[in-house]
Amino acid sequence: ETGVTQSPTHLIKTRGQQVTLRCSSQSGHNTVSWYQQALGQGPQFIFQYYREEENGRGNFPPRFSGLQFPNYSSELNVNALELDDSALYLCASRFDTVTDTQYFGPGTRLTVL
Amino acid sequence: SQQGEEDPQALSIQEGENATMNCSYKTSINNLQWYRQNSGRGLVHLILIRSNEREKHSGRLRVTLDTSKKSSSLLITASRAADTASYFCATVITGANNLFFGTGTRLTVIP
Repeated sequence: ETGVTQSPTHLIKTRGQQVTLRCSSQSGHNTVSWYQQALGQGPQFIFQYYREEENGRGNFPPRFSGLQFPNYSSELNVNALELDDSALYLCASRFDTVTDTQYFGPGTRLTVL
Repeated sequence: SQQGEEDPQALSIQEGENATMNCSYKTSINNLQWYRQNSGRGLVHLILIRSNEREKHSGRLRVTLDTSKKSSSLLITASRAADTASYFCATVITGANNLFFGTGTRLTVIP
């Protein structure tokens, strides 16, 4: 157990809809990153939040957005869902942006029909 | 695109045997990390090796890093059925602080 939780566990949406995924960081961690893992692939970096500000982003379109709250919990929002958005979404927390080890949550499995 | 590539893509061994997985990457790194993932769930951090280190041990794990060849290997000794999982290498490249993951090796340990 890493102390990082995610909700929901599974989610089914239809193309064009919007979705919000949630992540609760490990206690004391002020940095959270989100990753997308397509079936059979390695995770790909979406973005990172540090003290409620986005401070790094991967190659994902603007319809992927996020929030980090004062208690360091986080949300990933995806608008205008596409079939290719079907994936496991992982969040990872760490003490700060220069800490090497990240602690991953169990993930949310999103299926877009 | 993926920063790293793992080899082999899949590996099947008998319990008690050693398992070796390789990872190659493309650019200068700050450190390289190995993670385990069971059944498409969350990733578990196994071991980290910095760019100025060549070898590191943790229990039954041994990691090597060759920065001149831009490659790393993970050795699991005396494998157990519980080691069955996917293993990913992930790099932190110079100037960035997020992880770039490889494509993973699916390890099956047969009891």
